[in-house]
Amino acid sequence: ETGVTQSPTHLIKTRGQQVTLRCSSQSGHNTVSWYQQALGQGPQFIFQYYREEENGRGNFPPRFSGLQFPNYSSELNVNALELDDSALYLCASSRGQILNEQFFGPGTRLTVL
Amino acid sequence: DAKTTQPTSMDCAEGRAANLPCNHSTISGNEYVYWYRQIHSQGPQYIIHGLKNNETNEMASLIITEDRKSSTLILPHATLRDTAVYYCIVRVAPQGGSEKLVFGKGMKLTVNP
Repeated sequence: ETGVTQSPTHLIKTRGQQVTLRCSSQSGHNTVSWYQQALGQGPQFIFQYYREEENGRGNFPPRFSGLQFPNYSSELNVNALELDDSALYLCASSRGQILNEQFFGPGTRLTVL
Repeated sequence: DAKTTQPTSMDCAEGRAANLPCNHSTISGNEYVYWYRQIHSQGPQYIIHGLKNNETNEMASLIITEDRKSSTLILPHATLRDTAVYYCIVRVAPQGGSEKLVFGKGMKLTVNP
């Protein structure tokens, strides 16, 4: 157990819909990173939030957006869902901007039909 | 893109040491090598990281060559629960941007009874 929780665990949506995924970070951690993991691939970095500000972004379109709240929990929002968005979405929390150790949640499995 | 190269898969007998190789020939002087593993259907788990000295913790040892172009993760007494995909990662810290972990496809370690 890493102390990082994600909800929901599974989700089914249809093309064009919007989805919000949630992440509660480990106590004392002020940085949250989001990753997308397609089947058979390693996790791909989406973006990172540090103290409520986006602090870096991977190669994902603007329809992927996020928020971090004052308690450092975070949301990942995806608009206009596409079939290729089907994946495991992982969040990871860490302390500070230096990624000495990231603690990952169990992920949310998103299926887009 | 990932800056590391790993074998696709490896088998190991239970109770024996598992030596997991990784090549990172383009690593820069200030970039760390990280190891994570992902057990089926779970989020990645941090194992160890290092810069140039060998490192050991309760989970594993990390041996980095003197030229830093390759490293080996050693699980001293592999158990069935060590069966997982192991990721060797070079921490990317672009100027002016956030740090992020760039995962490759990893290496599947299977520990056999």
